[in-house]
Amino acid sequence: EVQLVESGGGLVQPGRSLRLSCTASGFTFGDNAMTWVRQAPGKGLEWVGFIRSKTYGGTTEYAASVKGRFTISRDDSKSIAYLQMNSLETEDTAVYYCTRARYCSGGSCSFDSWGQGTLVTVSS
Amino acid sequence: DIQMTQSPSSVSASVGDRVTITCRASQGISRWLAWYQQKPGKAPKLLIYTASSLQSGVPSRFSGSGSGTDFTLTINSLQPEDFATYYCQQANSFPVTFGQGTRLEIK
Repeated sequence: EVQLVESGGGLVQPGRSLRLSCTASGFTFGDNAMTWVRQAPGKGLEWVGFIRSKTYGGTTEYAASVKGRFTISRDDSKSIAYLQMNSLETEDTAVYYCTRARYCSGGSCSFDSWGQGTLVTVSS
Repeated sequence: DIQMTQSPSSVSASVGDRVTITCRASQGISRWLAWYQQKPGKAPKLLIYTASSLQSGVPSRFSGSGSGTDFTLTINSLQPEDFATYYCQQANSFPVTFGQGTRLEIK
């Protein structure tokens, strides 16, 4: 069974940093692209970023709202994806979901498995 | 960026009804469209990918259609567990974009 478990969320002050982790199990992590999606309280889904598998260079894509502040990385030996968030803003307050990317076009993908989410609150 | 517009934003229906939700892309995305269901406090769940392919384990009362810019999610014979919020998502290109969501409520 595919499982994705996020951790690392919490309360952080504006301007500070936080790193989220997504621990995967039940599939060959290194073969899959991974994505982070967030949802602000009471709002819709917002894509944050994407990391390709090493087979496709392990390269990343980011939403304009986080580009230059957030970095996605992966450790295939541990089956973990990371979301490093720097210079956090109050607008980054959201539940952050880790997802497995599947059914990909030459561009992006849809997401077949989701973690339970971890809440990040940015507030002074 | 490709904008995804869902309609309606909310809909009320009864158990046993048939409901249709539409999603329009601001430019052509071939069949690279997915539909998700989200219940309060839970993660989204993939229902449909590539516009009409049913994700494993999803009941057959859910179906999707469309290509290009116009897409539809249909739920036949609504069940109590279907009352939730539904999102479309384009999987054609980056940045990935979602529709604003359609809330399906019990009448």
